[in-house]
Amino acid sequence: EVQLVQSGAEVKKPGESLRISCKGSGYSFTSDWISWVRQMPGKGLEWMGRIDPSDSYTDYSPSFQGHVTISADKSISTAYLQWSSLKASDTAIYYCARLTMYSNSRWWFDPWGQGTLVTVSS
Amino acid sequence: QSVLTQPPSVSAAPGQKVTISCSGSSSNIGNNYVSWYQQLPGTAPKLLIYDNNKRPSGIPDRFSGSKSGTSATLGITGLQTGDEADYYCGTWGSSLSAVVFGGGTKLTVL
Repeated sequence: EVQLVQSGAEVKKPGESLRISCKGSGYSFTSDWISWVRQMPGKGLEWMGRIDPSDSYTDYSPSFQGHVTISADKSISTAYLQWSSLKASDTAIYYCARLTMYSNSRWWFDPWGQGTLVTVSS
Repeated sequence: QSVLTQPPSVSAAPGQKVTISCSGSSSNIGNNYVSWYQQLPGTAPKLLIYDNNKRPSGIPDRFSGSKSGTSATLGITGLQTGDEADYYCGTWGSSLSAVVFGGGTKLTVL
């Protein structure tokens, strides 16, 4: 079974750093991209960016470029989403998803991780 | 304000049919494939439709997708209470160089 398992919920203070993880299993981790998607409380889905685990090439949404860092360690089939200085507005659920992509025009997300709730509060 | 426009909510009775629209432009839906995702309360999104109208294995044929011009539509027949969820469309936004989602539609099965 293809599965993405994310790290657990985090509670942080503004200004702190954080890295959350997403471990893939049941498929060749380097055969597809991994994307991260944000869902703020009571809101919709927002695409943050994607990484090709085979060479760690990354591509960010303009809305998130410079605010987060996406990385991967293919040796342990794990992708990461990282912040260097959290803000209260980063409070959200973050999902990773396997991105099957034939081109920018033709792609889909399947499966999704279970989500990681990040709470940033003083 | 989402790039793709979906109705905030739709409702129908059990056993009935409902459609959810997703409206965009030539820089997104008009020239790219559309996928649809179901998010049951308190859970992660799940792929329902890809390549405009294809269903992954395990997704019942009660769910269908179509695309015409700059709009896409998700159809659900034989509604069940278990279909109550938020539904999102997604595609590539060429002008933004980013994946774009609709704002989501909450389905209520009365």
